Amino acid sequence: DIVMTQTPSSQAVSAGEKVTMSCKSSQSLLYSENKKNYLAWYQQKPGQSPKLLISWASTRESGVPDRFIGSGSGTDFTLTISSVQAEDLAVYYCEQYYDTPLTFGSGTKLEIK
Amino acid sequence: EVQLVESGGGLVQPGRSLKLSCLASGFTFSNYGMNWIRQAPGKGLEWVASISSSSSYIYYADTVKGRFTISRDNAKNTLYLQMTSLRSEDTALYYCARHEGYPDYWGQGVMVTVSS
Repeated sequence: DIVMTQTPSSQAVSAGEKVTMSCKSSQSLLYSENKKNYLAWYQQKPGQSPKLLISWASTRESGVPDRFIGSGSGTDFTLTISSVQAEDLAVYYCEQYYDTPLTFGSGTKLEIK
Repeated sequence: EVQLVESGGGLVQPGRSLKLSCLASGFTFSNYGMNWIRQAPGKGLEWVASISSSSSYIYYADTVKGRFTISRDNAKNTLYLQMTSLRSEDTALYYCARHEGYPDYWGQGVMVTVSS
């Protein structure tokens, strides 16, 4: 199974600050045939179901604010929130869909100071 | 608007069975694979099972293989998860999620509690 490791487990930032969180996979998620990284990011706000933010490592879903930026390739990926807003309070999960079983990272909890 | 509504959860004793349903609307259900993904209280996300659009391909997590069965009825726009030999560690919020190569839309989840 592909192991997904997210760091940090939690972080607290003030509104307006930039935040980055890391996701590393135990094997490459880059498929050579199409040069795509099979990595998604989800946001789970308190009491809600997960919401897809980014697929293919960097493709923002429709309606997702452009302050959410996904980057990286191979085994190292990053989710950046360029200017954190109060409503971004949530746990952020990365997930690989390169292979079955689908596996998730343990999440990064974002707290607003 | 894509909607996924899970039902069938509840409190069940260890070793017993339970069947979850997920009613889909707002998209052509028969064109999409589907997933069950669970979240134990206060924990992260764990993929449980996937089924392709025509039920030709089915996959399970090792933790549920041989105990859980995923199925679908495209005429009823409904996804199912038959759970048998339930254990305390199966206690979780169970989400159904549409599969677009990856889970894209998720339901609100249904709680399953396994306890005597």
